[in-house]
Amino acid sequence: SQTIHQWPATLVQPVGSPLSLECTVEGTSNPNLYWYRQAAGRGLQLLFYSVGIGQISSEVPQNLSASRPQDRQFILSSKKLLLSDSGFYLCAWSVNIPSSYNEQFFGPGTRLTVL
Amino acid sequence: GNSVTQMEGPVTLSEEAFLTINCTYTATGYPSLFWYVQYPGEGLQLLLKATKADDKGSNKGFEATYRKETTSFHLEKGSVQVSDSAVYFCALSTISNFGNEKLTFGTGTRLTIIP
Repeated sequence: SQTIHQWPATLVQPVGSPLSLECTVEGTSNPNLYWYRQAAGRGLQLLFYSVGIGQISSEVPQNLSASRPQDRQFILSSKKLLLSDSGFYLCAWSVNIPSSYNEQFFGPGTRLTVL
Repeated sequence: GNSVTQMEGPVTLSEEAFLTINCTYTATGYPSLFWYVQYPGEGLQLLLKATKADDKGSNKGFEATYRKETTSFHLEKGSVQVSDSAVYFCALSTISNFGNEKLTFGTGTRLTIIP
């Protein structure tokens, strides 16, 4: 069976510090990978997605970047965190079959607080 | 652009009451529609989905019908239980230029069921 892991589960960082959140998927190959942010009072916002190693698509201009160094590893980074980067970050995966009907499977999330 | 508007919460109901959570969408083309649920302490998971007009998705006693004429996908359940207490997210899915699905979420509706 497939599983998705995210770490850390919670993180408190000062403004201006770097960030690295990691997501890994097990039990599947060549998945589509996604990063979402859930800010207080707002829905989940798609930040980045990747359909393969080294391919990253950005959905919104922001202070964050993403990378996919391995097939089942997705990393969210920032060089200097802003207060507005606080939120709940979710990683998700789906099967790599062209369709708008595919289910996405979500990780447990990382709660980031920037002070 | 694409957007999803959900009934604002929180919603509090008594056990065995009838539930409706409204969801309307704006999209170009013909999206697939989803309801995801987040139970307390758990990750986001798919509840039900529908891919074309007049399709009805159903699961765990919940139903939603894809209404193209009113651009709606309202979630309903005839008799709610305490275990249905969760946050419910409506979402639409479109295909990116790379062929993968991209989800646009509503803000979520927190549902609490009182015994």
